[in-house]
Amino acid sequence: QSALTQPASVSGSPGQSITISCTGTSSDVGTYKYVSWYQQHPGKAPKLMIYEVISRPSGVSDRFSGSKSGNTASLTISGLQAEDEADYYCSSYTNNTTRVVFGGGTKLAVL
Amino acid sequence: QVQLVESGGGLVKPGGSLRLSCAASGFTFSDYYMSWIRQAPGKGLEWVSYITNSGSIIFYADSVKGRFITSRDNTKSSLYLQMNSLRAEDTAVYYCATYRNGGFSYWGQGALVTVSS
Repeated sequence: QSALTQPASVSGSPGQSITISCTGTSSDVGTYKYVSWYQQHPGKAPKLMIYEVISRPSGVSDRFSGSKSGNTASLTISGLQAEDEADYYCSSYTNNTTRVVFGGGTKLAVL
Repeated sequence: QVQLVESGGGLVKPGGSLRLSCAASGFTFSDYYMSWIRQAPGKGLEWVSYITNSGSIIFYADSVKGRFITSRDNTKSSLYLQMNSLRAEDTAVYYCATYRNGGFSYWGQGALVTVSS
């Protein structure tokens, strides 16, 4: 069981917007700004899409945005494209001894 | 450009040891915290360890604490993971990654470690 909870799958049609949630606790998501999101295509290494809850690395499309409310962080992808179909993972710093936790991952299908 | 290249993966018997290396280039290695993250076949990402830029502070996941040792050599721009007392559940692709502002910004291509008799 992962420390952060994500839906197993979400889907959307091209052009639509979807949101993936990532629920933690006051020990991680609820307290720290160090929430990040990753995109992983099959057989590839993950790619950082969002860091510090809302920040986008250079080169990442502005169709990707992050937010946080309480113990839940969210990744929103607007204007869905076929190439967005991938697995998405959230991560957070935690004050537990482990220091870093991941969510279980969400498979995004673009129908 | 930034490159992280893992090496040292392979097949090892339960109880055995293996050492992974990660060679970094294209950035000032000594400025970055570094991390190991693994992914079991068909499963999600699992954080393993991170080490501060000087190497003075290291944290481990509970699942590997006492068995794995992370180290770095800033003179060689290299990160290491010494894995001892390996178990079947350690079978995974192991990625090295830079760790900054709470995010893993650059990743290697991964090294497959298989623990099986």
